[in-house]
Amino acid sequence: QQPVQSPQAVILREGEDAVINCSSSKALYSVHWYRQKHGEAPVFLMILLKGGEQKGHDKISASFNEKKQQSSLYLTASQLSYSGTYFCGTEPSSSNTGKLIFGQGTTLQVKP
Amino acid sequence: GEEVAQTPKHLVRGEGQKAKLYCAPIKGHSYVFWYQQVLKNEFKFLISFQNENVFDETGMPKERFSAKCLPNSPCSLEIQATKLEDSAVYFCASSLALYGYTFGSGTRLTVV
Repeated sequence: QQPVQSPQAVILREGEDAVINCSSSKALYSVHWYRQKHGEAPVFLMILLKGGEQKGHDKISASFNEKKQQSSLYLTASQLSYSGTYFCGTEPSSSNTGKLIFGQGTTLQVKP
Repeated sequence: GEEVAQTPKHLVRGEGQKAKLYCAPIKGHSYVFWYQQVLKNEFKFLISFQNENVFDETGMPKERFSAKCLPNSPCSLEIQATKLEDSAVYFCASSLALYGYTFGSGTRLTVV
């Protein structure tokens, strides 16, 4: 039931691009993306709703393929500040309570 | 304020003792969520509230866990008779309309 994220970890140099994938076995109403730095609270990045796609801030964007129940987060021209663990949170179509089921996280390290 | 305030930051309890955690959501946010984050990054949903009403409690181990959100008071999560496996970071999050959560900085509970 937990969505599967891939890759589990990625190391980049500043300026490089990365894609993080999130795949669910359930039909989804929405997908959220969060970034958590070590010892800190997760920070909301963006939400993608069924029937739509939302572009995020800076050089971070995402897509949502409803048919495949998959979402991808795109980080372009990565900066040192992008380092952290990225989580997708999925809300099944069968739920209307806003309860999210989180993936296991993808750790991103950006090096100078 | 514009942040979710969680107290205390750290809590140490002996097995069998009670633990009580507090969360003040962002003013005006109708929804409050509690999540437990264990060592391997996994977020486990516990309970959510819409104002002072329980919205979804499907994740709560009801034998020992209870939670409340009363008007004009911080929300609380209480664990009776703590066990070693309850050691985790407990995050509270609030949301205006279920489009993205704002997380608090968490309470690290250590049961010894």
